[in-house]
Amino acid sequence: QQQVKQSPQSLIVQKGGISIINCAYENTAFDYFPWYQQFPGKGPALLIAIRPDVSEKKEGRFTISFNKSAKQFSLHIMDSQPGDSATYFCAAANSGGYQKVTFGIGTKLQVIP
Amino acid sequence: DAEITQSPRHKITETGRQVTLACHQTWNHNNMFWYRQDLGHGLRLIHYSYGVQDTNKGEVSDGYSVSRSNTEDLPLTLESAASSQTSVYFCASSDPGGRDTQYFGPGTRLTVL
Repeated sequence: QQQVKQSPQSLIVQKGGISIINCAYENTAFDYFPWYQQFPGKGPALLIAIRPDVSEKKEGRFTISFNKSAKQFSLHIMDSQPGDSATYFCAAANSGGYQKVTFGIGTKLQVIP
Repeated sequence: DAEITQSPRHKITETGRQVTLACHQTWNHNNMFWYRQDLGHGLRLIHYSYGVQDTNKGEVSDGYSVSRSNTEDLPLTLESAASSQTSVYFCASSDPGGRDTQYFGPGTRLTVL
């Protein structure tokens, strides 16, 4: 059973456009929602994360929107650039010192010039 | 600088052979994790450890084992490699001190013929 559902699996966006990736979770005990970015041949790296006490978090061109009642969260990449082309994973965890993380299946983003 | 390394980076083996993938981190993190990454499945947790002598099964642990004799290392062993275990394997570590970020290694691409 997939506890974190991610869509779309692939996304092509024009340079300067907005990339949007959506995720939904089922376990209401999750209290930490990170997004990881992975470039080809590399391991995933933390991009941005949010906790359910806020509805939005912004870091530069990257924004997480969080809807606790709908159990959904999304990543928005504003002014998408070719260098943003990567695979993005949403994830969810029940923290408190034991960070066993459940990942979505990933979205391969391609930003075309 | 602290880091997490994996070796080998690429491995080709035959069905039925025992294979061990190494993971070494220099952050002194208590938590360590092994994932496999497959297209359409994202990152799936194989085994994890919260400290020396502690090991736990993840969602896809069949055919894999780990041991934790020190803080720095968590080797992953495939007892009898199968073609279904052809994958990219990632090791990660995290600090249970509340930061919740998992730091990933560069990955090992394993092919079982």
